[in-house]
Amino acid sequence: DAKTTQPPSMDCAEGRAANLPCNHSTISGNEYVYWYRQIHSQGPQYIIHGLKNNETNEMASLIITEDRKSSTLILPHATLRDTAVYYCIVGGNEKLTFGTGTRLTIIP
Amino acid sequence: GAGVSQTPSNKVTEKGKYVELRCDPISGHTALYWYRQSLGQGPEFLIYFQGTGAADDSGLPNDRFFAVRPEGSVSTLKIQRTERGDSAVYLCASSLISGGTGELFFGEGSRLTVL
Repeated sequence: DAKTTQPPSMDCAEGRAANLPCNHSTISGNEYVYWYRQIHSQGPQYIIHGLKNNETNEMASLIITEDRKSSTLILPHATLRDTAVYYCIVGGNEKLTFGTGTRLTIIP
Repeated sequence: GAGVSQTPSNKVTEKGKYVELRCDPISGHTALYWYRQSLGQGPEFLIYFQGTGAADDSGLPNDRFFAVRPEGSVSTLKIQRTERGDSAVYLCASSLISGGTGELFFGEGSRLTVL
């Protein structure tokens, strides 16, 4: 699986958009970009995934650069409940390899 | 319940003892995964089942760790001769099919403490 690089931590003001970057320069053509988050003391929760095109669902938007070497997860209106560790994962459709993620703190 | 269920939620044991951790996946999910998470780290893959068979056990750290899924539903992770370094949260996840969207549904985990 390709490796990903994420900032270890970020802050965002409540109500603002949270933009979480991820670099995955060694991604191969058939690998997807997945985002999961983990709220304290809970199991990871799926957010969104994509291959080439930008994706949006009720939780977030995923923007993937044209060369697919990086992506950004956007939480459009962050709330306090969005405080969590966010994992960007690149891989095929079977096992997912988690890194250490970005600890996002939403500031009231 | 509708989600992945793991028992026990907490287990404290002594070094050298045998431990079993159970996972009840979401009904109908054919793929089941075990991960281990140490403090401050992301989940680390251990093993993945497609149906009853282990499709990939490359993450099991050594032969003290073993997992089964005899009827293609409930899975048990077994750890023999536990060591203090085995202390972690053991997470189970299931997905509807293997090779699908990659959306895994995780349980709350079993926290294992080896004294």
